[in-house]
Amino acid sequence: EVVLTQSPATLSLSPGETATLSCRASQSVDTALAWYQQKPGQAPRLLIFDASNRATGIPTRFSGSGSGTDFTLTIDNVEPQDFAVYYCQQRSDWPMYTFGQGTKLEIK
Amino acid sequence: EVHLVESGGTLVQPGGSLRLSCAASGFTFSSDDMHWVRQVPGKGLEWVSAIGNAGDTYYSVSVKGRFSIFRDNVNNSLFLQMNSLGVGDTAMYYCARDYSGYPDSWGQGTLVTVSS
Repeated sequence: EVVLTQSPATLSLSPGETATLSCRASQSVDTALAWYQQKPGQAPRLLIFDASNRATGIPTRFSGSGSGTDFTLTIDNVEPQDFAVYYCQQRSDWPMYTFGQGTKLEIK
Repeated sequence: EVHLVESGGTLVQPGGSLRLSCAASGFTFSSDDMHWVRQVPGKGLEWVSAIGNAGDTYYSVSVKGRFSIFRDNVNNSLFLQMNSLGVGDTAMYYCARDYSGYPDSWGQGTLVTVSS
């Protein structure tokens, strides 16, 4: 099973700052990695797929990068509605999908 | 617009069974793979099961042999039959449409509580 480790567990920022979230895989997943956003009481929303492709309707301030075992989700100019929990997920080890444990982006 | 509505979650005793349903609309259901993903309240996401548009099925190690996923393409519905439930199965269960191998559009979830 591919284990995904996200860091930091919590990221405290002020609106307007840049958020950098990390996801590390226990073995190479090539670029088969996605990022999701989840707000309290809501279902997750797909942000990024295949490491760097924005899903439909996702603002350009969200960007993804990386390949192999190290991935980054960057949120430029964080807006108030961006404070949420973010998860990475791999599909390389089909059909054994796995998610990271999440990073909480909170207001400083 | 893709719309997914889960139902069937409730309180069930350990060892019991439950069937979850997911009503789909707004897309060609029969053409898409579908997933079930669960989340213990306050915790992270866990992929549970998937079914291909041809009916091929896949399960996580934690539920294999106890859960069955199936679909009704005539009525645009997805199901998860859960047997031999344990307290560790307590979670919000989401159905989601697949997009290039990723759960894309998600329902709002249905809560399953396993407790005596």
